[in-house]
Amino acid sequence: DIVMTQTPSSQAVSAGEKVTMSCKSSQSLLYSENKKNYLAWYQQKPGQSPKLLISWASTRESGVPDRFIGSGSGTDFTLTISSVQAEDLAVYYCEQYYDTPFTFGSGTKLEIK
Amino acid sequence: QVQLTESGPGLVHPSETLSLTCTVSGFSLTGYSVYWVRQPSGKGLEWMGRMRYNGDTSYNSALKSRLSISRDTSKNQVFLKMNSLQTDDTGTYYCTRPTGGYWGQGVMVTVSS
Repeated sequence: DIVMTQTPSSQAVSAGEKVTMSCKSSQSLLYSENKKNYLAWYQQKPGQSPKLLISWASTRESGVPDRFIGSGSGTDFTLTISSVQAEDLAVYYCEQYYDTPFTFGSGTKLEIK
Repeated sequence: QVQLTESGPGLVHPSETLSLTCTVSGFSLTGYSVYWVRQPSGKGLEWMGRMRYNGDTSYNSALKSRLSISRDTSKNQVFLKMNSLQTDDTGTYYCTRPTGGYWGQGVMVTVSS
C-alpha cells in the first residue's frame, strides 16, 4: 500500500499569513502516460464532512478560493494557503488515488492564532 | 443535484455485523464510482473501499477480510457490510462520489455492548 505522510501534524498561524503543509508519498503518484499526479487535498472543518479542494495535485475545484494552491509532483506535494482567513480553521488531508487501496495522510490541523 | 445519504444502525454490538446503505440521487451508479470512508472519533480519514461504475470493487488491505461492498443500481444504493466489529470500529462512516467531491453527511456508528 502507498503510505502518505503529512507534516506538520498541526500549526498555528495568524490571519493574513501564508501557510504551507507537506504531503509525501511512499511511491510516485505521477502516471507517465498522461503526466498527471493522482493526488487530492481535502479540507475538513469541525463537525463537517470533508470538502474536496484540489485534485490532480494542483487543480482547484469549482468555488474554491484562489488562495488555496496545490503544487508538487512525483512523491512530494504541498498545499499553500497564500493568506489565511479565520474560516480556514480545519484539518487538511491529502489522498492518493494512483493505486488501490487509496490512502489518506494523517492530516495537518490548522489553527488560527 | 447530486446527493449521497448514509443510513444504518447507530449502535452495533461487538462481534456483530455492520450494514450501511448509501442512497444516491442526481447521478447514476453505472456512470460514477462511490467510495466508503470512515473516521474514528477525533482521528483521521480511512479509505475503506470502492464500488466502481462498472461493478468492480476494491478494498482497504487491513479490512479486506471482513468487508464487502455491493450495490443495487435499480434502487440507486450502495451497501457496506463489515463483520466481526470491535470497539475500534466506532466512528463516522461516509460515502462519497470522488468525481466532483461529493460527500454524504456521514453516519455515526458506535460499537458497544
